[in-house]
Amino acid sequence: EPEVTQTPSHQVTQMGQEVILRCVPISNHLYFYWYRQILGQKVEFLVSFYNNEISEKSEIFDDQFSVERPDGSNFTLKIRSTKLEDSAMYFCASSPGGASGRNEQFFGPGTRLTVL
Amino acid sequence: QKEVEQNSGPLSVPEGAIASLNCTYSDRVSQSFFWYRQYSGKSPELIMSIYSNGDKEDGRFTAQLNKASQYVSLLIRDSQPSDSATYLCAVHPSLSNQGGKLIFGQGTELSVKP
Repeated sequence: EPEVTQTPSHQVTQMGQEVILRCVPISNHLYFYWYRQILGQKVEFLVSFYNNEISEKSEIFDDQFSVERPDGSNFTLKIRSTKLEDSAMYFCASSPGGASGRNEQFFGPGTRLTVL
Repeated sequence: QKEVEQNSGPLSVPEGAIASLNCTYSDRVSQSFFWYRQYSGKSPELIMSIYSNGDKEDGRFTAQLNKASQYVSLLIRDSQPSDSATYLCAVHPSLSNQGGKLIFGQGTELSVKP
């Protein structure tokens, strides 16, 4: 069964450093998302991406964040200058869209980001 | 502020019993509703979606939606210890069923005792 994959599973970085989190969405899906979950808190939406552009972003997704689909399979989240409060699990998700009319979002295993 | 509310639990049920999980949401235009299961340290796993008022059954799981009351629930029949997890209610607050963010509740922790 196709699934969303994410790398790395755990990233440790120093405050102020740039990190890139990588995702491979399910191959025939059209919509891609990033969410984050701070330990013990709710899953929070960051950004959605469709047709090679951002379709929606939250107030969390400020100028320090960017997303890119550099090729036909990868979807990346970049944090330019990490802060301590960026420490969280980051989940990539994808949904079919298109003629299916479905919005079920399937999540990858996550990347645990630790900012020291 | 669009909100999704769940009782945080923990909800403890004996093995073989029915577990009932509830969720309310604030945005009346919401059209799509989802239940995810999240084991500790893992990612959310989709277990049910529901789009229309009424009940939707899938195996031991039944989702119930009442848009007039802005209420969605999940019943788990014949609960097993492996069902012990946090159950997340998620709502798509949009008239469109295409794309768009999900708003998650804080989750209900379910514990099924052997």
